[in-house]
Amino acid sequence: GENVEQHPSTLSVQEGDSAVIKCTYSDSASNYFPWYKQELGKRPQLIIDIRSNVGEKKDQRIAVTLNKTAKHFSLHITETQPEDSAVYFCAAAYSGGGADGLTFGKGTHLIIQP
Amino acid sequence: GAVVSQHPSWVICKSGTSVKIECRSLDFQATTMFWYRQFPKQSLMLMATSNEGSKATYEQGVEKDKFLINHASLTLSTLTVTSAHPEDSSFYICSARASPGIGELFFGEGSRLTVL
Repeated sequence: GENVEQHPSTLSVQEGDSAVIKCTYSDSASNYFPWYKQELGKRPQLIIDIRSNVGEKKDQRIAVTLNKTAKHFSLHITETQPEDSAVYFCAAAYSGGGADGLTFGKGTHLIIQP
Repeated sequence: GAVVSQHPSWVICKSGTSVKIECRSLDFQATTMFWYRQFPKQSLMLMATSNEGSKATYEQGVEKDKFLINHASLTLSTLTVTSAHPEDSSFYICSARASPGIGELFFGEGSRLTVL
């Protein structure tokens, strides 16, 4: 099955700086890579996703890059704000016509220092 | 976005009892729902895929008889933790897709189970 590795486990940055979280996946058939943000005690919420036919996607301060050859993808948050503090999970899935659940990375606790 | 609701949000039970958790898709039909388990400060681990009208598909290492899943309608899946023990204490969270194929998973609020 799929295995997703995520680094770092904790990331502390100064407010206004950029944050980068990296993930690798093992199954070359995976073709969908979402990023979820989970605040303490709350449900995960999708912040951005990318499919394997695209190398980069951007939504305001958030961007995701995908390198299919190397099987890794990264989340980039620019101009970080206090409300960006949360746990971020990357995930991977293969849309083979079935109804596959996501395989999640272990998460990154992002701390924005004021 | 689509709304997935879970109930109860938290439950405390005695060891040996069974607990049922409901997951509902409020504004869409979900032929498939997913059940995850999350320990404190850890990731979401897929337990099983719940299929409407058929048996659930369990991930390796998840006991079928321990975690009973029933997906009786297009908007409701239930997870029953049978003969619960303290090690079953965890955050259980369900999710579903609002449209066919791969795409965004919408999560329920989660249910925190504490077994005494």
